Amino acid sequence: EAQVTQNPRYLITVTGKKLTVTCSQNMNHEYMSWYRQDPGLGLRQIYYSMNVEVTDKGDVPEGYKVSRKEKRNFPLILESPSPNQTSLYFCASSPLSRDLDTQYFGPGTRLTVL
Amino acid sequence: AQKITQTQPGMFVQEKEAVTLDCTYDTSDPSYGLFWYKQPSSGEMIFLIYQGSYDQQNATEGRYSLNFQKARKSANLVISASQLGDSAMYFCAMREALYSGNTPLVFGKGTRLSVIA
Repeated sequence: EAQVTQNPRYLITVTGKKLTVTCSQNMNHEYMSWYRQDPGLGLRQIYYSMNVEVTDKGDVPEGYKVSRKEKRNFPLILESPSPNQTSLYFCASSPLSRDLDTQYFGPGTRLTVL
Repeated sequence: AQKITQTQPGMFVQEKEAVTLDCTYDTSDPSYGLFWYKQPSSGEMIFLIYQGSYDQQNATEGRYSLNFQKARKSANLVISASQLGDSAMYFCAMREALYSGNTPLVFGKGTRLSVIA
């Protein structure tokens, strides 16, 4: 089954404790992206990757890091989480083609930083 | 400036009736795609329907149709024969041309639809 998986689905942590949210897709997509969703703000892009070893900042990158060592994986790293990073996080992927295809979303990771 | 505007924070509709969720967008790019997503209370983002800027006909997917009015820059979602399971948050989103490299989805703030029995 074609899918994007994220782990963990739920996480409660404390300020300053490094964490990683994993994202994996099995559709051989070049493009992967991380979004955060906050009430009243919709979804905003954090980081994206056009292919292996190619990553760049989205609209709200502060406090986050990413890596793309393999095509299928795109982990989101919070080196020193803070309470303002409490949010619902989505990973998404899509092929890079002339067609403006939809992005396929993971199930979301609900993060709470105390 | 907001690129996607959804003016209805919340809506109610009677079961089996049709409902229209509004979306207007702003872009100067001639090539773009418009999307609607459904987010139930469980949180996942479910893709519903897509309309390309060059598509001549309005997109349809089962009970969902997209009323695309290019000159007015609107892309309203029409749900026919509403069901209780349609109660959810609905997001309109746009993806502009690939030429710039980054092709994020830009989302509106959403409309919460409640279907009443």
